[in-house]
Amino acid sequence: SAVISQKPSRDICQRGTSLTIQCQVDSQVTMMFWYRQQPGQSLTLIATANQGSEATYESGFVIDKFPISRPNLTFSTLTVSNMSPEDSSIYLCSVEGGEVGELFFGEGSRLTVL
Amino acid sequence: AQSVTQLDSQVPVFEEAPVELRCNYSSSVSVYLFWYVQYPNQGLQLLLKYLSGSTLVKGINGFEAEFNKSQTSFHLRKPSVHISDTAEYFCAVIPTINTGGFKTIFGAGTRLFVKA
Repeated sequence: SAVISQKPSRDICQRGTSLTIQCQVDSQVTMMFWYRQQPGQSLTLIATANQGSEATYESGFVIDKFPISRPNLTFSTLTVSNMSPEDSSIYLCSVEGGEVGELFFGEGSRLTVL
Repeated sequence: AQSVTQLDSQVPVFEEAPVELRCNYSSSVSVYLFWYVQYPNQGLQLLLKYLSGSTLVKGINGFEAEFNKSQTSFHLRKPSVHISDTAEYFCAVIPTINTGGFKTIFGAGTRLFVKA
């Protein structure tokens, strides 16, 4: 199993500002995933972050809006840039572990944009 | 491509009653199936999974699910629920072969509300 810590757990931000979310894993992992969970909805994959290379973004998500860093095998950050109220969501960091396809999640970062 | 449909957005049930949360999927290739649970203000955690073998799988907290290939379903059941089972439950699939990336596809979630 993997233990994942995310910071901040929640934040309230002003429109037009940016926020960086940190994700720390207690073991080395190849891929880290960033998901968005909008209110009352399911999880949507934003991007996959591999150490030493640029993140791979899903359709509808772009690097300018959601820049990701992956400096080593245990850490990643996701920045939500130039925020608008539509960015109010829970952002979740995840890694694979255990048997095939099994995901472990951080507790999420609940972001409210005013 | 894969898709997951959770047929009920909310399921209210009384404590100690049985519950079934329904999940259907669509895929052109074989998939692995998962149920995750999200307690309030927490991340998701794995409840159970089907990879192969027996179609009836048991998970944590007394939950079980049955894989039905002909009906492309993976319904989650518990014979007697507790107040502490109140949470959001997500059904998810991942393809067994690379069809453009091994991405997990989640359903929209079912909110289980257990009443005293």
